[in-house]
Amino acid sequence: DQQVKQNSPSLSVQEGRISILNCDYTNSMFDYFLWYKKYPAEGPTFLISISSIKDKNEDGRFTVFLNKSAKHLSLHIVPSQPGDSAVYFCAASANSGSARQLTFGSGTQLTVLP
Amino acid sequence: KAGVTQTPRYLIKTRGQQVTLSCSPISGHRSVSWYQQTPGQGLQFLFEYFSETQRNKGNFPGRFSGRQFSNSRSEMNVSTLELGDSALYLCASSFGGSPYNEQFFGPGTRLTVL
Repeated sequence: DQQVKQNSPSLSVQEGRISILNCDYTNSMFDYFLWYKKYPAEGPTFLISISSIKDKNEDGRFTVFLNKSAKHLSLHIVPSQPGDSAVYFCAASANSGSARQLTFGSGTQLTVLP
Repeated sequence: KAGVTQTPRYLIKTRGQQVTLSCSPISGHRSVSWYQQTPGQGLQFLFEYFSETQRNKGNFPGRFSGRQFSNSRSEMNVSTLELGDSALYLCASSFGGSPYNEQFFGPGTRLTVL
């Protein structure tokens, strides 16, 4: 049973427009959420995170929104650039003391068209 | 500062064999986590080591094991390989002292089981 789901395997957006990537989770114990970006032949790199005490976190062109009642988070990229083309993974974790185990979604391939 | 390194980058084995993968974390990082990435499944957590002790473990069979050395370098071993073990194996390191420490990923080891 996948606790973190990214239902769109791919997304194409025109350069300059907004990209919206979505993620749903089922485990109500998750209290910390992250987005990672992955280019081919490289490991994932951290993009942005949000704690469950917030509903929005912004970092430059990237904004993450969290809707706890719907168990849904989204990543907005504005404006989208061709260099943003990559696989985006959302991840979630529950606080278990000092250890954190990240549970990842299956990823969404974003393609930004010039 | 050097990033997370993983060796080898590519590996081809046959069913029934065993394999050992290596991960060198960023200098100063004491936590190393291992993930398996397969198409459509995202990244699945294998285990985490902190100060030479396994601190967290995912839902993988006992054929998957790991260890961490005093210099924080970690190895992952898979015994009696199966075709389904073909995947990208990623390790990630962090300071590990706080559950909010960012995880930095290596480029991964691509394992193919024939």
